[in-house]
Amino acid sequence: DAKTTQPTSMDCAEGRAANLPCNHSTISGNEYVYWYRQIHSQGPQYIIHGLKNNETNEMASLIITEDRKSSTLILPHATLRDTAVYYCIVRVGGATNKLIFGTGTLLAVQP
Amino acid sequence: GAVVSQHPSWVICKSGTSVKIECRSLDFQATTMFWYRQFPKQSLMLMATSNEGSKATYEQGVEKDKFLINHASLTLSTLTVTSAHPEDSSFYICSAGAKGGYYGYTFGSGTRLTVV
Repeated sequence: DAKTTQPTSMDCAEGRAANLPCNHSTISGNEYVYWYRQIHSQGPQYIIHGLKNNETNEMASLIITEDRKSSTLILPHATLRDTAVYYCIVRVGGATNKLIFGTGTLLAVQP
Repeated sequence: GAVVSQHPSWVICKSGTSVKIECRSLDFQATTMFWYRQFPKQSLMLMATSNEGSKATYEQGVEKDKFLINHASLTLSTLTVTSAHPEDSSFYICSAGAKGGYYGYTFGSGTRLTVV
């Protein structure tokens, strides 16, 4: 699976949009981009995933560049409860392939 | 939605004893389950992958005789930490995937193991 690079930490003001970048320059054509987050001392939570088109769900939007070498997770209106470590992971699709976590981005939403 | 129940949420045990952690998929059949370990302020590290009815596949550096994984049914996987030592103290997390269905993984809430 391709590796990803994320900033170690980011701050965001409550109510503003949080934009979390991820670089995955060695991504393969059959690899998806997944985003998970982990709130302190809990199991990771699935947020969103995509292959090449932009995706949106009730939690977030995922913007993938045309060359697929990078992506951005957007939380449109961050709240204090969105403070967590956000992981960007690329891997081949399917529910039986392992998920390898990198270091992630600690997003701190400030009041 | 898919729910994975993990128990216990925390456990304290004495050095040399064994501890069993359970991971159950409540509303779907988990063809594959994964076990992770997480030390403080670090990311999740994959320990092993288990498929129902077959032996687990361990990641490099993980002792299979120390971390026994059983996936006897499509809804239950267990991780047993044998002869636990203080350095095994960690946060253990399971996750489950369903073949042909859910495209992502559902994670358990984790187990905080403290070996004294």
